[in-house]
Amino acid sequence: NAGVTQTPKFRVLKTGQSMTLLCAQDMNHEYMYWYRQDPGMGLRLIHYSVGEGTTAKGEVPDGYNVSRLKKQNFLLGLESAAPSQTSVYFCASSPSGGAQFFGPGTRLTVL
Amino acid sequence: AQSVTQPDIHITVSEGASLELRCNYSYGATPYLFWYVQSPGQGLQLLLKYFSGDTLVQGIKGFEAEFKRSQSSFNLRKPSVHWSDAAEYFCAVGAGEKLTFGTGTRLTIIP
Repeated sequence: NAGVTQTPKFRVLKTGQSMTLLCAQDMNHEYMYWYRQDPGMGLRLIHYSVGEGTTAKGEVPDGYNVSRLKKQNFLLGLESAAPSQTSVYFCASSPSGGAQFFGPGTRLTVL
Repeated sequence: AQSVTQPDIHITVSEGASLELRCNYSYGATPYLFWYVQSPGQGLQLLLKYFSGDTLVQGIKGFEAEFKRSQSSFNLRKPSVHWSDAAEYFCAVGAGEKLTFGTGTRLTIIP
């Protein structure tokens, strides 16, 4: 099992550009999450999903959109990137809440 | 609202010495509690979890944690640290859909 994988690992964008981060899990987990990690701030929840076709806002959802069209995939979109979105993004999955299992992260720089 | 406090931003210990990382939480009901470890450039790995029962839980890599309801604490301990334990450690609390993470404690090991 690959667990949770994230694509891409690194990305550099210019302000105003758009991009999509892909998260895939092969553990048949119902719940999936997107976090951002910034120095000194821990992990902050952006959006999450409790099942295929569902999404919900987390702590810092502004500027991001998500979709969960397939159970195994959770996409995070930035429609118009801003320098404040420079961060490391982590995807996680969970069978039914509780312990979460994390991907390796995507380092995004917005110039 | 649930919250987690990790009062120590950075701890330095000598290799072979004992370790205790502090975690205090605020939660309205019986919490699920977790400790994660993050090595540089990596995702978060689950060290251990507490759901109910015995308040002393054992985890991977020789770590243990003790749940103390009266002190709202869930401190992580290891009797003898190894150089490979140098990493950042996150405490998390939650039940159901979402977890709340602390801001982390960075552990440095000196020879």
